[in-house]
Amino acid sequence: DIQMTQSPSSVSASVGDRVTITCRASQSVGSWLAWYQHKPGKAPNLLIYAASTLQDGVPSRFSGSGFGTDFTLTISSLQPEDFATYYCQQANSVPFTFGGGTRVEIK
Amino acid sequence: QVQLQQWGAGLLKPSETLSLTCGVFGGSFSPYYWTWIRQPPGKGLEWIGEIHYGGSTNYNPSLKSRVTISLDTSNNQFSLNVRSVTAADTAVYYCARGQVKLTHWGQGTLATVSS
Repeated sequence: DIQMTQSPSSVSASVGDRVTITCRASQSVGSWLAWYQHKPGKAPNLLIYAASTLQDGVPSRFSGSGFGTDFTLTISSLQPEDFATYYCQQANSVPFTFGGGTRVEIK
Repeated sequence: QVQLQQWGAGLLKPSETLSLTCGVFGGSFSPYYWTWIRQPPGKGLEWIGEIHYGGSTNYNPSLKSRVTISLDTSNNQFSLNVRSVTAADTAVYYCARGQVKLTHWGQGTLATVSS
């Protein structure tokens, strides 16, 4: 299985801050990497797919980059509705594993 | 607008079979993959498996011996069966549409395994 490692596991930030989350794969996944936002009691929401393509309807303050084994999700200016847990997921090879998650908390 | 709605038994005893169904409303099965994911309490997301509209399946090897995902195209729904459940199978289970991008999700169903 491909192991996905996210860092940090949690981050405290203020509204307006720039937040960067990293995701490292144990072997290359090419561009087969997606990012999801998950809020308690709700289903996860797709933000980014193919490493850097913004899903329709997702605000442009979210961006993704990377290729191979190292990926980044950036929130350029954190908004109150962005406090949530973020997961990366590789879709290069079965099983399509998720990272452990990064909780973005209010500072 | 595609919507996924899931249902199934929420409380099971050890060794029973967990059965969940996900109805697809406002869209068709073709040409998509249909996926099941779960989240144990206090833990992260785990990919369970997927089924292609043509019927082929892929499973997480950690669950493969106990899991079956099936399609019912006539009723626009797909299902998950997990056999011989234990407390470790307690989780919120989600259905979703897609493979490399999971664009539509069900509301989630809490399945609790307890004697």
